[in-house]
Amino acid sequence: DAKTTQPPSMDCAEGRAANLPCNHSTISGNEYVYWYRQIHSQGPQYIIHGLKNNETNEMASLIITEDRKSSTLILPHATLRDTAVYYCIVRVHLGGSQGNLIFGKGTKLSVKP
Amino acid sequence: GAGVSQSPRYKVAKRGQDVALRCDPISGHVSLFWYQQALGQGPEFLTYFQNEAQLDKSGLPSDRFFAERPEGSVSTLKIQRTQQEDSAVYLCASSTHEAFHGYTFGSGTRLTVV
Repeated sequence: DAKTTQPPSMDCAEGRAANLPCNHSTISGNEYVYWYRQIHSQGPQYIIHGLKNNETNEMASLIITEDRKSSTLILPHATLRDTAVYYCIVRVHLGGSQGNLIFGKGTKLSVKP
Repeated sequence: GAGVSQSPRYKVAKRGQDVALRCDPISGHVSLFWYQQALGQGPEFLTYFQNEAQLDKSGLPSDRFFAERPEGSVSTLKIQRTQQEDSAVYLCASSTHEAFHGYTFGSGTRLTVV
C-alpha cells in the first residue's frame, strides 16, 4: 500500500476552517484516499473518501490535487468536538478481502476556543 | 444496536492469564476486523472475517492470539498466556461487503496486563 505523510499536530481556532494536509506521492491510479478520525477514548470514525474528484459530505470536504499526490481534508467550521487524531489512508478499495486499513500516526488536531 | 459493541470496556489481567474479548458487529455486516492500538500509536490490523470465514490473520502477533466468528455475527478475540506487551486497546470494526460508508468501529476494550 502507498504510505502517507501527515504533520503530527495542528491547532485551529474554534469556528475557523481546519485544513489538514496529507502527502501520498506514491499513490497508485486505483487507490482511494480515506480519512478517519479518532476522538479520545473512542474508536476511529469514518469521515470521507475519494478517488480523484473533490468530495463533500455533512462532515467535511476532501480536496485531491490533480496529480493525486496530496490531499487536504477541510472541516469548514471547526468546533471543540472536532479535537481528535485525523488519519489519512490510501487503499485500493474498502470492500471484501482487501479491506484492511493501514493507519499511520495521523495528525493531532486541537481546536482551541 | 445501532453501533458496534465491544465488551468488556476495560480488562485487567495478570500475566499468564487467558482473556476473551467480545465484539458485536452491526447486524447484517458481512465484514469484521480486529485491530490492536498501543498507546500513542495508530491502530494495527490483526485479523479479518467475511461472515464466519477468517480470510486474513496475518496481523496476529503470535500463536497466543486466536479469533473466531462461528456464526458469522459475534466475534471473540482470545489471548492466551497474556504478556505485558499485550497491553493495548483492542478495536473491532464491521462493514457491509462493499463498505461504501467506511468501517464502523467500536469503542474498544482496553486490556492492561499486570
